[in-house]
Amino acid sequence: GAVVSQHPSWVICKSGTSVKIECRSLDFQATTMFWYRQFPKQSLMLMATSNEGSKATYEQGVEKDKFLINHASLTLSTLTVTSAHPEDSSFYICSASRRGEKLFFGSGTQLSVL
Amino acid sequence: DQQVKQNSPSLSVQEGRISILNCDYTNSMFDYFLWYKKYPAEGPTFLISISSIKDKNEDGRFTVFLNKSAKHLSLHIVPSQPGDSAVYFCAAISTGTASKLTFGTGTRLQVTL
Repeated sequence: GAVVSQHPSWVICKSGTSVKIECRSLDFQATTMFWYRQFPKQSLMLMATSNEGSKATYEQGVEKDKFLINHASLTLSTLTVTSAHPEDSSFYICSASRRGEKLFFGSGTQLSVL
Repeated sequence: DQQVKQNSPSLSVQEGRISILNCDYTNSMFDYFLWYKKYPAEGPTFLISISSIKDKNEDGRFTVFLNKSAKHLSLHIVPSQPGDSAVYFCAAISTGTASKLTFGTGTRLQVTL
């Protein structure tokens, strides 16, 4: 079946640094990928919709300059948390769907900003 | 505004018995519902779904029931097994919004021996 790979699984970084998270669809082309964030004991919240070859669509309240999304190819989307701060510490997860099928999720990235 | 709610953060069930996980939603535009299962440090995996044109969908030990008038759905697992211990998320989508899922907060199921 379709697999979405997300890397890295864990990131610990210093405050002020930038962190890049990669999301790859391994056996299908994904024109659209989604980025979610989950804080402890809260639901997965959609951050943005990543569209191949065009700008991402951000949900209300999500800073596009803070969370840079690049969907340069049909199999890769990246989320860069710029100038990360402790309040950005969270679980980030991507998903993609093959046309007409359910969403497949990556394994997620736990980001801890010191 | 939490449009999808799972009011029980945790549930403990004995092995072999039925687990019932509940989910309520407020957005009447939602017309497709899904349940995901999540183990620690892993991404959610799809479990079962139901369209709003149905009120029940069954897949092996898993059955999802939908009550549109009450805006309520439930996931039944029977018989429950220790390997079912995980966090379960319900999610809803308005198919007119291009796969934009709205998730509940999750229910942690613990199946005991």
